[in-house]
Amino acid sequence: AQKVTQAQTEISVVEKEDVTLDCVYETRDTTYYLFWYKQPPSGELVFLIRRNSFDEQNEISGRYSWNFQKSTSSFNFTITASQVVDSAVYFCALSGNTGGFKTIFGAGTRLFVKA
Amino acid sequence: NAGVTQTPKFQVLKTGQSMTLQCAQDMNHEYMSWYRQDPGMGLRLIHYSVGAGITDQGEVPNGYNVSRSTTEDFPLRLLSAAPSQTSVYFCASSRNDRADQPQHFGDGTRLSIL
Repeated sequence: AQKVTQAQTEISVVEKEDVTLDCVYETRDTTYYLFWYKQPPSGELVFLIRRNSFDEQNEISGRYSWNFQKSTSSFNFTITASQVVDSAVYFCALSGNTGGFKTIFGAGTRLFVKA
Repeated sequence: NAGVTQTPKFQVLKTGQSMTLQCAQDMNHEYMSWYRQDPGMGLRLIHYSVGAGITDQGEVPNGYNVSRSTTEDFPLRLLSAAPSQTSVYFCASSRNDRADQPQHFGDGTRLSIL
């Protein structure tokens, strides 16, 4: 069975702090894909990044970075120098060959960034 | 570009009523799906479709029907609304059903069942 765990329900930081959102996954697939989505207060979900199981290179995009470690089955997301606009719910998701390629989402982490 | 369009944005129903949530995409995506979002539970897959004329059940299909007569449209029907179906519903699409495809989401429909 596939599972995604985001143990942090809510995180609150002050602007300019760095923050890491944790994501731990379970899968028996050898080929799988991990995603992060952002849901701002307006409600829509926005795709942020995809990582495949064969590529453990860390990814950096501006203030965002992602650390994928197969050894610990984790795909953590770090926001550097957080801003109020980063306040949102962030979802980690997993998709693999098992179960017809359906995407499994974690419960989400709500991030509050205070000015 | 409209992307994925959901209507209505808000709806209040009484227990036992039926209704259809509309979803349309203009990206010629093969794969479409419906999720419900409940507090602390993330997004759970209700039904999905890999192409016109093909639908299948997701994790929580009971109480819902879908059809896919065209590539563009994927309506979700609540047959007899129950308070447990109070939720935020998201329609999503992707280019195909491959595991590497990110999904494009609509803005959601907030549904309350009294």
